[in-house]
Amino acid sequence: AQKVTQAQTEISVVEKEDVTLDCVYETRDTTYYLFWYKQPPSGELVFLIRRNSFDEQNEISGRYSWNFQKSTSSFNFTITASQVVDSAVYFCALTMNSGGYQKVTFGTGTKLQVIP
Amino acid sequence: DTEVTQTPKHLVMGMTNKKSLKCEQHMGHRAMYWYKQKAKKPPELMFVYSYEKLSINESVPSRFSPECPNSSLLNLHLHALQPEDSALYLCASSLLDSEGNQPQHFGDGTRLSIL
Repeated sequence: AQKVTQAQTEISVVEKEDVTLDCVYETRDTTYYLFWYKQPPSGELVFLIRRNSFDEQNEISGRYSWNFQKSTSSFNFTITASQVVDSAVYFCALTMNSGGYQKVTFGTGTKLQVIP
Repeated sequence: DTEVTQTPKHLVMGMTNKKSLKCEQHMGHRAMYWYKQKAKKPPELMFVYSYEKLSINESVPSRFSPECPNSSLLNLHLHALQPEDSALYLCASSLLDSEGNQPQHFGDGTRLSIL
C-alpha cells in the first residue's frame, strides 16, 4: 500500500518569507513518481513539479525548489520569497504505473496562507 | 483558464433528480479521471478511463454512472444521490505512456449540493 504524509496542516508566513512544505511517502515499488500540486480557492489542481524515483537531483525552478531524498522517503517543496498569490492548499502525490494511466495517492494537503 | 473544462460549475439537486456532469479536454489525452473531494480533504479517485474504456472503478455506488462517449468527453451521470454526496467533483486528464508518469491536468470542478 502507498501512503503520503503531510504533517503540516496549515502554515502562515509573511510575504517574502521562504516556506518549506514537508512530504513523507511510503511505497514498496522501486519505480514511482512524486508530484506537487497546488489548489487555489478556485478549485482546480495545478501541477507544479514532478520527480521520478531514480533521479534524486534537486532542482530550482524560479521561486520553487524541491529536495528529494530516498534515504528518508521525503520530497519537500520550498517556495522562496513567498507572495500572496501562493496562498493555496498544496498536495504532495505519489503515483504508480497502472498500465499507462496513473493511480495517484494524495497527501492530506497543507494549507499555506501568505500574509501581506 | 484551465485546459480541462467542466460544466456546470455549481449544481444543486434534490435526491430524486437526475443530472449529469460534463468534462471536456482537447489536449489529445487518452486517460481521463473523475475525483470526489470533500472539504479540507484530498481528492479521492472514483473512475479512470483509458482509451475510452473504463479501467478503474473504485467501488463507487451505482448512483454514479460514468460515460466516455469519445476521447475528448467524459460525463458523470447522477441519480438518486444522498446528502453525503455533496462535494467538489473534479475531472482530470493525462497522456498515456508506458511509465505512467504524466502529470494530470485538472478542471475547476463542479460544486455539487444535494438537498
